Amino acid sequence: DIQMTQSPSTLAASVGDRVTITCRASQSINSYLAWYQQKPGKAPKLLIYTASSLETGVPSRFSGSGSGTEFTLTISSLQPDDFATYFCQQYDSYSTFGQGTKVEIK
Amino acid sequence: EVQLAESGGGLVQPGGSLRLSCVASGFTFSNYWMHWVRQAPGKGLVWVSRINNDESTITYADSVKGRFTISRDNAKNTLYLQMNSLRAEDTAMYYCARSKVVGATMFDYWGQGTLVTVSS
Repeated sequence: DIQMTQSPSTLAASVGDRVTITCRASQSINSYLAWYQQKPGKAPKLLIYTASSLETGVPSRFSGSGSGTEFTLTISSLQPDDFATYFCQQYDSYSTFGQGTKVEIK
Repeated sequence: EVQLAESGGGLVQPGGSLRLSCVASGFTFSNYWMHWVRQAPGKGLVWVSRINNDESTITYADSVKGRFTISRDNAKNTLYLQMNSLRAEDTAMYYCARSKVVGATMFDYWGQGTLVTVSS
């Protein structure tokens, strides 16, 4: 099974900060990597797919990069609505999610 | 507007059964692969099962294989998950989700979830 490791687990940041979250796969997943945002009590929301494609309706401050085994999600200027937990997901072989990164207010 | 609405969760004893339903609206249900994903309280997301348009392709996570059965009724726009021999570790919020791309286990729409609690 493909394992996905996210870092950090928790991140404290301020509005306006540039935030980067990393996701590493235990083997190459090509570009079959998605990022989701989840707020408490809500379902996840797709942000990025195929490593760098922005889902329709998602603000352009979100971006994704990477291929193979190392990927990043970047929020260029953190907004109040962005405080949430972020999950990466590989879908090269069925599906595995990372353990999540909680973005908290500093 | 695409909507997915799960139901059928609840409290069940270990060894018991539950059937979850997910009613879809706002899109042509029969054109899409569908999935179940679960999330234990305070934990991460775990993909459970997938089914293609005509039920000819069905896949399960190893943790539920032989105990859970996914199915769909395209005439009723409904996805199901029959869960048997339930264990405490099956306690989770269960989400149905739609594949964004045919065959891809990546999801563009999710329901609000239904909570399954397995406890004596």
